[in-house]
Amino acid sequence: EVQLVESGGGLVQPGRSLKLSCAASGFTFSNYYMAWVRQAPKKGLEWVATISTSGSRTYYPDSVKGRFTISRDNAKSSLYLQMNSLKSEDTATYYCARHIGTTEGYFDYWGQGVMVTVSS
Amino acid sequence: DIQMTQSPASLSASLGETVTIECLASEDIYDILAWYQQKPGKSPQLLIYDASSLHTGVPSRFSGSGSGTQYSLKINSLQPEDFASYYCQNGLSALTFGSGTKLEIK
Repeated sequence: EVQLVESGGGLVQPGRSLKLSCAASGFTFSNYYMAWVRQAPKKGLEWVATISTSGSRTYYPDSVKGRFTISRDNAKSSLYLQMNSLKSEDTATYYCARHIGTTEGYFDYWGQGVMVTVSS
Repeated sequence: DIQMTQSPASLSASLGETVTIECLASEDIYDILAWYQQKPGKSPQLLIYDASSLHTGVPSRFSGSGSGTQYSLKINSLQPEDFASYYCQNGLSALTFGSGTKLEIK
């Protein structure tokens, strides 16, 4: 059974940093692209980042490019999201997801999500 | 970026009814489209990919269709567990989502 478990969320002040983690199990982690998708409170879904199987290629939308960094450790079956220079509009539930595809594609399994609140 | 316009924003229906949700892309996305279901307090679940392919374990009362810029999700014979929010997603580039449709019991 595919399982994705996020951790590391919490309350952080604007301009500060936070790092999210996602522990994967139930599949061969190193064979899949992985992604982060977020959902602001009572809002829709927004793709945040994708990383290739080896970690050599990363992709971001303009809204987070230059502030967020996705990375992975295949030996630990773990995915990470380093978030810097956080803004109030980054407040959301962040989901770790398995990404079917590369720069295109879909998210076939999702974690339960972790809440990040950016507020002074 | 490709914009995804989803309609309606909300929908009321009764058990056993059939409903359709629409999604319009701002440009041709060549059937690279997914539909997700999200229940309150839960993560989204993939229902359909490539516009019409059913994801593993998804009941056959769900179906997807469309091409070019226009796509739809149809749910036949609504069951209690189907009342949720639904999102379309462009899988061609920038991976943008529609704004969602909340399906409620009438």
